[in-house]
This record gives sequence, structure tokens and C-alpha cells, in this order.
Amino acid sequence: TQLLEQSPQFLSIQEGENLTVYCNSSSVFSSLQWYRQEPGEGPVLLVTVVTGGEVKKLKRLTFQFGDARKDSSLHITAAQTGDTGLYLCAGENTGNQFYFGTGTSLTVIP
Amino acid sequence: GAGVSQSPRYKVAKRGQDVALRCDPISGHVSLFWYQQALGQGPEFLTYFQNEAQLDKSGLPSDRFFAERPEGSVSTLKIQRTQQEDSAVYLCASSFRLTNTGELFFGEGSRLTVL
Repeated sequence: TQLLEQSPQFLSIQEGENLTVYCNSSSVFSSLQWYRQEPGEGPVLLVTVVTGGEVKKLKRLTFQFGDARKDSSLHITAAQTGDTGLYLCAGENTGNQFYFGTGTSLTVIP
Repeated sequence: GAGVSQSPRYKVAKRGQDVALRCDPISGHVSLFWYQQALGQGPEFLTYFQNEAQLDKSGLPSDRFFAERPEGSVSTLKIQRTQQEDSAVYLCASSFRLTNTGELFFGEGSRLTVL
């Protein structure tokens, strides 16, 4: 059972398009992280958000933490083929455990 | 090495066999996590250590699963009497920080296939 639901589960878009991935939960988290995972490898951290309402931008990626610290979104502008991968959100609870979302598999077509 | 190391990378077991999966975390990392990941899905939490103490094992699917980290560094995940539903990638992650917002550093995983 996973505490965080991601949508969409699969996303296939053309290079240059924009996209948004959502991560939702009924639980409150002390922090929320986004990871990207490529086949045969472990997830790699993209960003950590801590404060409700926080927005972080990393080049073409924009991350937002919901005001109630239960949900988050990842927006990618002008997607590139190198953005292809499995995107995972992970919420940290007060016991310092990390629970991952269901995952969003992104394919960017040239 | 500089990263989290897991072995074996691939393991094929016959149903009913016992398996042991090893995780060598980054030196000095206090926290260690085990996750189970099905293809295309997010990792599911199994268990969590701080140093040698197993603080949470609520994610272990059954009493056939056992994890240890006796000296606070290397950890072993053991699965007894493997079943086909145990087939998955087992990921290990370590973190330096005790408190929140610590980054998880993952190994490449051990892919278990139970025939």
C-alpha cells in the first residue's frame, strides 16, 4: 500500500511540449522529494521541498509543495528526450521514513 | 566505493529457496532503507535502520522477510522460502542525516526472479 498517488501513471509527449505530474496524499509530510529513475538504476534526487506553498525551480523543472504539505506537482517546460524516465515523489514522515509515490513513466519522443 | 553497492545485481531462485541480498551503504551514512520495487512502479518501503537499530519493519510483507545491520554499516535482507510474488527489484538507500530532508542515495538494486 502506497501513501502517495501520482498521476498520470504514463505520459508520452513530443519534444518541446510542457507537462505536469501530480503527487497526492491524505497524509501530511514534513518534507517531500522528487526523484528520477532510469532503467536498471536507482532513483536520483531532483529536489527537496519543505515548506507548505514552497516553489522551487531547477532550469526547466518547477516543483511545488501544497499549502497543507499533502501534495506536490512537478512541471517540465519544453521537454527534452533526456527527460525520459520514471518520476517519483517521496514523502518523509515525522519518523524520518520515506514513502514513495506510485510513479509516473515519462517518454519524450523526438 | 563512493556509492551504495548492492549484491548480487541479479538473482534467480527456485521457489522455496532462501536468498540473501547485501547492501553496502556510503561510509558514515547513519540511515539505511530497504525498498521493494515492481516494474514501472514506485518503490515500496520495507524497513529502516538508524545505525544498527531497526526502527521500523512495518513494510516487511511477511515473517519470511528479515533484515539486519549488526554493526551499523553493511545490511542484509534475507528472504526465506521464496515465493513467485517475491520477484522484484530490491533497492537499498542510505542517508547521512538523522533528521528530515536528508537525501537518499540508492544502489542499483538487486533483481530477484523466483521460478
